[in-house]
Amino acid sequence: DAMVIQNPRYQVTQFGKPVTLSCSQTLNHNVMYWYQQKSSQAPKLLFHYYDKDFNNEADTPDNFQSRRPNTSFCFLDIRSPGLGDAAMYLCATGAAEGDTQYFGPGTRLTVL
Amino acid sequence: AQKITQTQPGMFVQEKEAVTLDCTYDTSDPSYGLFWYKQPSSGEMIFLIYQGSYDQQNATEGRYSLNFQKARKSANLVISASQLGDSAMYFCAMRELSSQGGSEKLVFGKGTKLTVNP
Repeated sequence: DAMVIQNPRYQVTQFGKPVTLSCSQTLNHNVMYWYQQKSSQAPKLLFHYYDKDFNNEADTPDNFQSRRPNTSFCFLDIRSPGLGDAAMYLCATGAAEGDTQYFGPGTRLTVL
Repeated sequence: AQKITQTQPGMFVQEKEAVTLDCTYDTSDPSYGLFWYKQPSSGEMIFLIYQGSYDQQNATEGRYSLNFQKARKSANLVISASQLGDSAMYFCAMRELSSQGGSEKLVFGKGTKLTVNP
């Protein structure tokens, strides 16, 4: 089945220690998105790639970076995690911008 | 200003009954799209149903239907014959132009937590 995969499902890191979250997809979609979702809140878009074009949201902190080495994979790098970065991180894909987005299971990040 | 409003933080429904989850939206764009997603406690966002602003008929998908009232700017989700597995957070979302580079993105409401009682 075509799907969006996120690894790991749970990630624990230490304050200030860089961490990378991974997303892969078998849908062959052009667009990949990263969202941050804190407890009891709506998902908040951090950035997205349309093919190789990177689109950063205006209020996304510089601490968050992303890489998309090929169509299938996209990574979220948090350079110096703070306690406030503890959240669920959701990856989503879409055939084109504005199309229906399909989400992965998420990675729940804990910062100690 | 909030683009998507979900006024019901929590809803309760008896198993096998129907339930309506409210969503109102605000946009001046004549072309827009509205989505509903389900998020169980496991965390995955599951796409349920889509309504385009120019669609003449209300969208339906199995037990899910969307009560789209364009003049009132509402897009309520109706779940018929509720099941225990329907207990989850439900998010309404709207497609809008991003302020960055003219690309489109989804804006989510704050969600409604639905509990289905046996």
